[in-house]
Amino acid sequence: GAVVSQHPSRVICKSGTSVKIECRSLDFQATTMFWYRQFPKQSLMLMATSNEGSKATYEQGVEKDKFLINHASLTLSTLTVTSAHPEDSSFYICSAIRMESSYNSPLHFGNGTRLTVT
Amino acid sequence: QKEVEQDPGPLSVPEGAIVSLNCTYSNSAFQYFMWYRQYSRKGPELLMYTYSSGNKEDGRFTAQVDKSSKYISLFIRDSQPSDSATYLCAMSAYAGGTSYGKLTFGQGTILTVHP
Repeated sequence: GAVVSQHPSRVICKSGTSVKIECRSLDFQATTMFWYRQFPKQSLMLMATSNEGSKATYEQGVEKDKFLINHASLTLSTLTVTSAHPEDSSFYICSAIRMESSYNSPLHFGNGTRLTVT
Repeated sequence: QKEVEQDPGPLSVPEGAIVSLNCTYSNSAFQYFMWYRQYSRKGPELLMYTYSSGNKEDGRFTAQVDKSSKYISLFIRDSQPSDSATYLCAMSAYAGGTSYGKLTFGQGTILTVHP
């Protein structure tokens, strides 16, 4: 159980274009999903918290107009990198919290999406 | 000062060795502590999860938390080449709702177990 899937696993795009990344909870409903970014040889940094049916909450320093998050259903959150630039090239990873879980439940991550902007 | 400090290594050990991985933290609000394993170009895989001081064992893995010292450890017994990966400690506080899901990660320790 608690399987989180991301799509695509890898994407290459040209500078100035937008890219959408999907995060799905496959066998459970998730009221909350989290988006992280990982640069090479660095750790994961939380970007934003995505809540179903409401606006996402962004961490300090993360541009909300650049990283658009939509959590339209209990099983899907999307991250759109708008007007991507080479410095946005990174590994984007999501995690999801099962709707009925309590505060001491473990957290599972998707397999990540590697974005390369040329 | 980073909230979570983890020695990046790299750490190289022979097969069968006991591996000790450590993290220190400064935020006394952290209550939930996790260890993840990450293979290259993959998402983190949860290994151990605990929310109290003390030891927790699962197979070859033992997680240790000392809240008074703000120090956590992961021990791997009888290490195998397949354990070669990056190990990440992560922790969170609880401020209501699903806030415990907001994890702060250590830098990750690169481990190589050679045959």
